[in-house]
Amino acid sequence: SQQGEEDPQALSIQEGENATMNCSYKTSINNLQWYRQNSGRGLVHLILIRSNEREKHSGRLRVTLDTSKKSSSLLITASRAADTASYFCATDSGGGADGLTFGKGTHLIIQP
Amino acid sequence: KAGVTQTPRYLIKTRGQQVTLSCSPISGHRSVSWYQQTPGQGLQFLFEYFSETQRNKGNFPGRFSGRQFSNSRSEMNVSTLELGDSALYLCASSTTQTGLPHNEQFFGPGTRLTVL
Repeated sequence: SQQGEEDPQALSIQEGENATMNCSYKTSINNLQWYRQNSGRGLVHLILIRSNEREKHSGRLRVTLDTSKKSSSLLITASRAADTASYFCATDSGGGADGLTFGKGTHLIIQP
Repeated sequence: KAGVTQTPRYLIKTRGQQVTLSCSPISGHRSVSWYQQTPGQGLQFLFEYFSETQRNKGNFPGRFSGRQFSNSRSEMNVSTLELGDSALYLCASSTTQTGLPHNEQFFGPGTRLTVL
């Protein structure tokens, strides 16, 4: 079953603009991770944020986590054509006894 | 370090057959997980192995099974294939230890299985 739900399902912006994707989940978590997938290939890990963290940065990426609202957001600044991909949030819960639970993803298109 | 490798990359089978997919994790990673990705259901967790022991299993029928060898390489098997088993099967390895939250997962390129 899906735990995380990304919003929007699809997003198209111009190169250079910022892209924001949101993720909501249902149960308590140990951590939340964001992954990128290009054209049905393997996923690439972007960033992991623990349940006791509120914000994390990595290069052009900024992730926030609000455990009271059970939501997270991924911001990509100064987007590039190479950022075109699907982005998934994944939650780790259940004391580490379950696998990651992925949302259905946001498909991001960067227009040159 | 070499990344996660999966073989074969593409596979075409017919209903009723069985299939075995292979995954070689990153050297030193003892945790291997498998996921099924379809357009309708998205990414769904199949199972996870750590040091040759199945740590957890997702909500899939018994036709789906797996194992892990002493060198951490893993295989998954699907018996009596159905049309709905057509999917991208992804393997991921990590340094996650048993009983602890999942670390960053390193995914392989996947095996695309088509069932006719």
